[in-house]
Amino acid sequence: AQKITQTQPGMFVQEKEAVTLDCTYDTSDPSYGLFWYKQPSSGEMIFLIYQGSYDQQNATEGRYSLNFQKARKSANLVISASQLGDSAMYFCAMSAGGGNKLTFGTGTQLKVEL
Amino acid sequence: DGGITQSPKYLFRKEGQNVTLSCEQNLNHDAMYWYRQDPGQGLRLIYYSQIVNDFQKGDIAEGYSVSREKKESFPLTVTSAQKNPTAFYLCASSPRTDSYQPQHFGDGTRLSIL
Repeated sequence: AQKITQTQPGMFVQEKEAVTLDCTYDTSDPSYGLFWYKQPSSGEMIFLIYQGSYDQQNATEGRYSLNFQKARKSANLVISASQLGDSAMYFCAMSAGGGNKLTFGTGTQLKVEL
Repeated sequence: DGGITQSPKYLFRKEGQNVTLSCEQNLNHDAMYWYRQDPGQGLRLIYYSQIVNDFQKGDIAEGYSVSREKKESFPLTVTSAQKNPTAFYLCASSPRTDSYQPQHFGDGTRLSIL
């Protein structure tokens, strides 16, 4: 079975600052994929970034980067230069064991302040 | 524009009534998924389908049923056996399931009990 743990229910960050959202995972599968999604208050799920278990380098997508530490089983999301529009719920998710099914964490509510 | 359309946006169910949530995609994706989201929680997998006329139970399938008669469509029926159906339901799709790929999500349906 797979498990995703997000220990920060809520985070505050000032505009233009960087913020790190924590995610730890647990799986016995050697092959897996890690994803981050953003959910604004309107409810849709927006894909942000992906990291494969065999990828040697940390994934980056614009202002988003994934700090992947395989030995620690962590996959933290780093958002650089935060913007007001980044205020949302952020979910870490994992796919392992076939079927491309996602297991989600409980999410972190991020609030960007002026 | 390609995407996933869920309807209705809001749905109300009476006691003992079955209701069906619609999910249509024009992305030509093979795989489709249904998730349930309760307040303050992450998404949990209800059912998924990797190919037409085939589907598998997810983690919380009891009280739900699905069909996959066409590639584009994956409707979810919430039956009267589901005793706590009030939740936010999200449909997703991905190109295939033999590798780890981001899932694309619809805008969701909010189901409430009258």
